[in-house]
Formats: sequence, C-alpha cells, structure tokens
Amino acid sequence: NAGVTQTPKFQVLKTGQSMTLQCAQDMNHEYMSWYRQDPGMGLRLIHYSVGAGITDQGEVPNGYNVSRSTTEDFPLRLLSAAPSQTSVYFCASSYRDRGNYGYTFGSGTRLTVV
Amino acid sequence: QKEVEQDPGPLSVPEGAIVSLNCTYSNSAFQYFMWYRQYSRKGPELLMYTYSSGNKEDGRFTAQVDKSSKYISLFIRDSQPSDSATYLCATFRLATGTASKLTFGTGTRLQVTL
Repeated sequence: NAGVTQTPKFQVLKTGQSMTLQCAQDMNHEYMSWYRQDPGMGLRLIHYSVGAGITDQGEVPNGYNVSRSTTEDFPLRLLSAAPSQTSVYFCASSYRDRGNYGYTFGSGTRLTVV
Repeated sequence: QKEVEQDPGPLSVPEGAIVSLNCTYSNSAFQYFMWYRQYSRKGPELLMYTYSSGNKEDGRFTAQVDKSSKYISLFIRDSQPSDSATYLCATFRLATGTASKLTFGTGTRLQVTL
C-alpha cells in the first residue's frame, strides 16, 4: 500500500505557466481533497471531492481546477501560475466507516512561482 | 476571525516534561476533532481522533474536547525529542458532501530538548 502519492515533490514555475499536480491513492477512499499550507495560515482547503465525478470548491479555489474521473486520482491544475500560489500543496484522502473517519495526507508538493 | 485558533509557539520543553497544546474553535456545529503531527518537510499524520466532548488516551497522548467552552487540548506525557514537530488541531462537522472539509488551526511548533 503506497497510501497517497503526490508528484512532483518540487516544482518551479514562471508566472503565467500552467501545470498539474498529481495525486493518487490506492486505499479506495471516497473522499479526496487538496490543501495549501502557508506560514501563519495553516492548511487551507482548495477543492474537494466526495466521489468520482463530484467536486466542489473549498476555502481558496481561485486559480485552481480539479477533476475526479476515477476513485484513485484527483489532479490539481494551476491555470496561470502567480507568485501568490507559491506554497506547499497537500493532497488527502479519507474514508467513512460507521461514523469513523480516517484521513491520510500525501508528502506534499513544494511549488515556487517566480 | 479564524474558525479554529491555535497558538503558533514555538514551545520549547525539556525531555520528560508534560506538554499541553490547545485550540479554540468558534463553530458549535463542529463534531469531530483531530490532532495531526507534522514533521519538517513532511505531510501531516493523524495522531488522535475524537468525537464530541470527552477524553481519549493513546499511550503518552491524551486528547480532550470540551464542547461547552469550544476548547480542544492535546497532552503529551514524558515528552521525547522525537516529539519535536508541529502539531495541528483540526475539526469538521457532518453534512452531506462535507466530510472531507477539515478546518485546521495554524499549528504549534514544539521543540523537546535533551
């Protein structure tokens, strides 16, 4: 079991470039989500999905798109990178089992936009 | 005002000390409460998970929730240098499609010294 796998681990982009952050989980979890972590701000939810074909916006969705075509994958797309999107991005997946919820985070993608 | 407030620290304690980490939250609808541990340059890992008010113990760790005062605590007994990390509290409420929307505190950085 690999858990939640994020790629790439590091990325430098120029302003205006686009890219996709990959996230895959092999635990058959229904729920997946993307967070960004900035100093002094904690983790903030960007987008989330409660199942294949279903996505919704979180707290800070502007400038990001997501799709969920399979249970396993939940890519995050940066449409036109801006320096304000310099951050560490975490993908998480979770399950629901008789009222118990388990969340697993990936190891993160460190993104710098110059 | 943030929905979950957490003192960022840093908190420095000697090995063997009892550590108390705290969060307050503003939304009385929150039902599930979690503590995550995050080592430097790693993803958060779930440490403790509680539902509603009360205590939960797991080895050297005790999580406490007081819903009447909207106060969440994590106690670490016999702290070890390996406990040095950032500790994040998180919470969410149950509603259709929102199971994956965790709300995090900003995290408290803990340093356990020899």
